[in-house]
Amino acid sequence: RKEVEQDPGPFNVPEGATVAFNCTYSNSASQSFFWYRQDCRKEPKLLMSVYSSGNEDGRFTAQLNRASQYISLLIRDSKLSDSATYLCVVIRTGNQFYFGTGTSLTVIP
Amino acid sequence: EPEVTQTPSHQVTQMGQEVILRCVPISNHLYFYWYRQILGQKVEFLVSFYNNEISEKSEIFDDQFSVERPDGSNFTLKIRSTKLEDSAMYFCASSEAPWGTGNQPQHFGDGTRLSIL
Repeated sequence: RKEVEQDPGPFNVPEGATVAFNCTYSNSASQSFFWYRQDCRKEPKLLMSVYSSGNEDGRFTAQLNRASQYISLLIRDSKLSDSATYLCVVIRTGNQFYFGTGTSLTVIP
Repeated sequence: EPEVTQTPSHQVTQMGQEVILRCVPISNHLYFYWYRQILGQKVEFLVSFYNNEISEKSEIFDDQFSVERPDGSNFTLKIRSTKLEDSAMYFCASSEAPWGTGNQPQHFGDGTRLSIL
């Protein structure tokens, strides 16, 4: 089983829509969780950390469910600039990041 | 905002040749990493480096690969004898502290595209 699994999509949503992505991780010892976004052929950029109690940053909300070993990202009021690939990242031990394959989002005018 | 910088942006090399990819991490960061991303695939961890030594490495990071911090600012990845399958985007990253200290994320450079002919 893969360390981190994501639905690759693509998700095509109209501007203003709400969209949610899920990510599951296989190792219960995983400790830290992040969402990164990656634009086409660019580097991953940190979107937000994911905290146990859930956290919100503007239009973005991240949730962690340790019992079910998944994390989620909710984007409200989607904008054209949100079009990107969203990468789920899990750290198990040490400093090794495990990346999911990413979920592709296209926001349509 | 401070950033991780990588050079060159694109490197084209003949198979079997050695290549060195260079990175300048964020100045107050102490932990350094290399990742690669083959076109259309996920980002894969190669190696992490702290206090002038490798702290972790993946199965991909075999004897053909080495890392070095030759001075106070550069962090390099060397591939000794390149293979066609080494063609990928290579990302350098750095972090201020390990993950165990306040969820410190890694900041990525914009990558070096390595093409092996």
